[in-house]
Amino acid sequence: QSILTQPPSVSAAPGQKVTISCSGSSSNIGNNYVSWYQQLPGTAPKLLIYDNNQRPSGIPDRFSGSKSDTSATLGITGLQTGDEADYYCASWDSGLAIALFGGGTKLTVL
Amino acid sequence: EVQLLESGGGFVQPGGSLRLSCAASGISFSTFAMHWVRQAPGKGLEWVSALSDSGDATYYSDSVRGRFTISRDNSKNTLFLHLNNLRVEDTAVYYCARDRLTASFDYWGQGTLVTVSS
Repeated sequence: QSILTQPPSVSAAPGQKVTISCSGSSSNIGNNYVSWYQQLPGTAPKLLIYDNNQRPSGIPDRFSGSKSDTSATLGITGLQTGDEADYYCASWDSGLAIALFGGGTKLTVL
Repeated sequence: EVQLLESGGGFVQPGGSLRLSCAASGISFSTFAMHWVRQAPGKGLEWVSALSDSGDATYYSDSVRGRFTISRDNSKNTLFLHLNNLRVEDTAVYYCARDRLTASFDYWGQGTLVTVSS
């Protein structure tokens, strides 16, 4: 069981909005940055959001990130079938001195 | 072309050893911390180990500490992971990833598969 908790799955219709939550503690999300990754089937993960809410160059603004206390949220608007993938949050844990990934959330675009 | 290219994976029996390599090209390597992340078949991402840019600080997950060793050769833009005393549960695709600064990973390799089985 992961220290960072994500819902196993979410779903929404094309064009709609979805949010994915990531819950941690004061030793990780509460005092460190959160990043988010998209992993399409059979491919390496791709950075979507870093430093809680920053998008790397080339990531569309349909993807957004936020953080509050010990939880973070990834938002995706204007859903497309190509967004179907697994999504992971990550953060450093200062107490354990390790990086953590959430268990992953499978997004289905109905 | 920006690239992290892993190699060294393969089939090994329990208790065996492997050395994984991750060669960087087209990106800055020596001034960034680097990580290894693995993914067991059908499972999620699991962080394995990290190494500071200079190589003087190492970090390991509990599941591999004492068995795996991370190292780097900045003159060759290459990251390594030495895997010893391998277990069946170490079977996974191993990715190397660059840490952009805040434990966020901006570049990933394509992964190399390690299979531990008798």
